[in-house]
Amino acid sequence: EADIYQTPRYLVIGTGKKITLECSQTMGHDKMYWYQQDPGMELHLIHYSYGVNSTEKGDLSSESTVSRIRTEHFPLTLESARPSHTSQYLCASSLGLGSPLHFGNGTRLTVT
Amino acid sequence: QKEVEQDPGPLSVPEGAIVSLNCTYSNSAFQYFMWYRQYSRKGPELLMYTYSSGNKEDGRFTAQVDKSSKYISLFIRDSQPSDSATYLCAMRITQGGSEKLVFGKGTKLTVNP
Repeated sequence: EADIYQTPRYLVIGTGKKITLECSQTMGHDKMYWYQQDPGMELHLIHYSYGVNSTEKGDLSSESTVSRIRTEHFPLTLESARPSHTSQYLCASSLGLGSPLHFGNGTRLTVT
Repeated sequence: QKEVEQDPGPLSVPEGAIVSLNCTYSNSAFQYFMWYRQYSRKGPELLMYTYSSGNKEDGRFTAQVDKSSKYISLFIRDSQPSDSATYLCAMRITQGGSEKLVFGKGTKLTVNP
């Protein structure tokens, strides 16, 4: 079973606040991903990393930023949250190219 | 045209029914095909992972890939209320050092006792 953890599970914050969504995995996977999921819509890739100090933007434009200082940790930061950022954010990791993704349980963010 | 099309449902069946979930795709370069199951307020979990055309069976679940028709299916036999979830298909291309993974919108399934 995949061991990938996201905190917090739920977050309600006001507009303009800075937030960091945490994601950690204990499998030693090099590749990590952040997806955004809205009801009835496809998962959209917003950031990915192929290893330490490597980060790339995904297909969906996002105002968030990520960092990868340690293999197991891939936090996502929003400097100034807005209501348009309200969504579910899913973190995932994989062993390598072609390997399946393992997902965390997500952070449901609501910006008021 | 979206690269991956999946009927969002919702689909409601009685317990014990055979369920068929389907996705079509337009990009013939897709190499890997996956089905994920997502329970409410949880992340997607991998159910089936296939590479080639044909069938792959795992317990009550069978994944079918038809590359010539660009069509994949997931069959659930003897469906149970615990199978109630959203099922996401996903397809992947890996070329050189990069990859592209595309998800369907998901089909919400309810199995009624």
